[in-house]
Amino acid sequence: GENVEQHPSTLSVQEGDSAVIKCTYSDSASNYFPWYKQELGKRPQLIIDIRSNVGEKKDQRIAVTLNKTAKHFSLHITETQPEDSAVYFCAAALWGYGNKLVFGAGTILRVKS
Amino acid sequence: DSGVTQTPKHLITATGQRVTLRCSPRSGDLSVYWYQQSLDQGLQFLIQYYNGEERAKGNILERFSAQQFPDLHSELNLSSLELGDSALYFCASSPGGDQPQHFGDGTRLSIL
Repeated sequence: GENVEQHPSTLSVQEGDSAVIKCTYSDSASNYFPWYKQELGKRPQLIIDIRSNVGEKKDQRIAVTLNKTAKHFSLHITETQPEDSAVYFCAAALWGYGNKLVFGAGTILRVKS
Repeated sequence: DSGVTQTPKHLITATGQRVTLRCSPRSGDLSVYWYQQSLDQGLQFLIQYYNGEERAKGNILERFSAQQFPDLHSELNLSSLELGDSALYFCASSPGGDQPQHFGDGTRLSIL
């Protein structure tokens, strides 16, 4: 089955700097890649997603890139702010066959002010 | 607020007991997914229902079962509880299989 690896496990950046989190998936058939942000004690919140027919997607300070050949995708956060501090999870799914999400282990992002 | 409602928020019980977790999906969503989040296993998919029928199954234990009712709410039943079942249980919903999933606030289950 699908396996998703996520790096780094923790990331500390200075406020205003950029943060990049990378994920690798194993099943080349996967075609949907969402990113979730989870604050302490709260629900995972969808922040951006990308489908396999798109190479890049941007939403204000957040962008996701996908390299299907290498089977990896990345989350880019620019101009980080203290409120960006949270755990970020990447996931992969095969839409059309139930859409179960396989999650990476998560990245703890700390933005220092 | 995601529109996905989970009850109860917290549940404390003892080993060997049985509990039922409830989820009401967002209005109009036909698919319901259950996930377990623990420190050692991360976020793990358990099971999916679509319009009352089981659609996909993950690493769900035989002691666990679920169903989706005609009004589309879903229940996750956990029986013969063990200490290792202590976790956050999330429900997510989507309009259909190929749509983004939105999570509820979860039920925190503590086994004493």
